[in-house]
Amino acid sequence: SQTIHQWPATLVQPVGSPLSLECTVEGTSNPNLYWYRQAAGRGLQLLFYSVGIGQISSEVPQNLSASRPQDRQFILSSKKLLLSDSGFYLCAWSVPGHGYEQYFGPGTRLTVT
Amino acid sequence: QKEVEQNSGPLSVPEGAIASLNCTYSDRGSQSFFWYRQYSGKSPELIMFIYSNGDKEDGRFTAQLNKASQYVSLLIRDSQPSDSATYLCAVTPGGYNFNKFYFGSGTKLNVKP
Repeated sequence: SQTIHQWPATLVQPVGSPLSLECTVEGTSNPNLYWYRQAAGRGLQLLFYSVGIGQISSEVPQNLSASRPQDRQFILSSKKLLLSDSGFYLCAWSVPGHGYEQYFGPGTRLTVT
Repeated sequence: QKEVEQNSGPLSVPEGAIASLNCTYSDRGSQSFFWYRQYSGKSPELIMFIYSNGDKEDGRFTAQLNKASQYVSLLIRDSQPSDSATYLCAVTPGGYNFNKFYFGSGTKLNVKP
């Protein structure tokens, strides 16, 4: 069966500090991978998605970036965090193609102080 | 105009009643439709998906899709307090963007004992 991992689970970082969140998927090959952010009491904002190694699509211009160095690894980064970057960061995967459902990792709760 | 719209709620129903959650979408070419449940502080979990017009039943849950009217709904029969959560509607667009998922902001459901 497929499993998706995210770490860390919680993170408190000062403004201006760097960020690195990691997501890995087990039990599947060549998945589509996604990063979402959910602000408190809000919906899911798609940040990045990837259909393969090194292939990243950015949905929202901001100070975040994403990379996919391996087939089942997806990394979200920032060089300098802003207060507005606080939120619940969710990684998700799906089987490529039409109509396949998406599954979420446990999430990382980031607080920028 | 947002791609996916949901009433934020809260929707309050008594235990044992039917809860009806609705979602509308803007892209007439949308292909696939999903309902997720999200408990407070947790990541979304998939409840159901539907691709064709009509009803799809799974236990106490029924998803209804009407592509002509561009809405999808979720019915929860015999609602339980454990069903209290935020329900997210997700849609995949038509055309070449079928790898993307658009989420509504969610409807909060409260089931009162």
